[in-house]
Amino acid sequence: EPEVTQTPSHQVTQMGQEVILRCVPISNHLYFYWYRQILGQKVEFLVSFYNNEISEKSEIFDDQFSVERPDGSNFTLKIRSTKLEDSAMYFCASTRLSSQTYNEQFFGPGTRLTVL
Amino acid sequence: SQQGEEDPQALSIQEGENATMNCSYKTSINNLQWYRQNSGRGLVHLILIRSNEREKHSGRLRVTLDTSKKSSSLLITASRAADTASYFCATDAIETGRRALTFGSGTRLQVQP
Repeated sequence: EPEVTQTPSHQVTQMGQEVILRCVPISNHLYFYWYRQILGQKVEFLVSFYNNEISEKSEIFDDQFSVERPDGSNFTLKIRSTKLEDSAMYFCASTRLSSQTYNEQFFGPGTRLTVL
Repeated sequence: SQQGEEDPQALSIQEGENATMNCSYKTSINNLQWYRQNSGRGLVHLILIRSNEREKHSGRLRVTLDTSKKSSSLLITASRAADTASYFCATDAIETGRRALTFGSGTRLQVQP
């Protein structure tokens, strides 16, 4: 069964460094998402991406964050200058159709980002 | 309560018993989904129920939705030790442009063998 994959599974970085988290959504999916989950807290939406542009974003998704679909299969989340509070599990998700009623989102296994 | 709040926060049962988890939300929705998360792992999609549906089944899972009460329940029948995980509900309002999911705090289910 097709699934969303994410790399790396764990990323450790120093505060102020740039990180790129990578995702390969399910191949025939059209909508892509990034969510994060700080340890012990709720899963929070960051951004959605459709037709090569941002569709929605939350207040968390500030200028330090950017997303890109560089090659038609990968979907990346870049954090330009990491802060301690960016430490979290980052999940990528994708949805098959762009219809108004279908929104079953399938999640990847996550990347655990630790900022020291 | 916030959008997508589950109760109880924690539930401990014996293998073979049924587990019921509830979710409440505040704003109008189009879809409500339930996810499972094993400790420190990814989110596994369990079931989606649309706002015009009242009940849905998938294997040992039964989900109900009451839009008048803005609540949903997830029933796991004949639980197994492998069902031990956290369970989250997540809602969207896709017809008003909110495709992003709003998650609840989750219910931690412990199934004792």
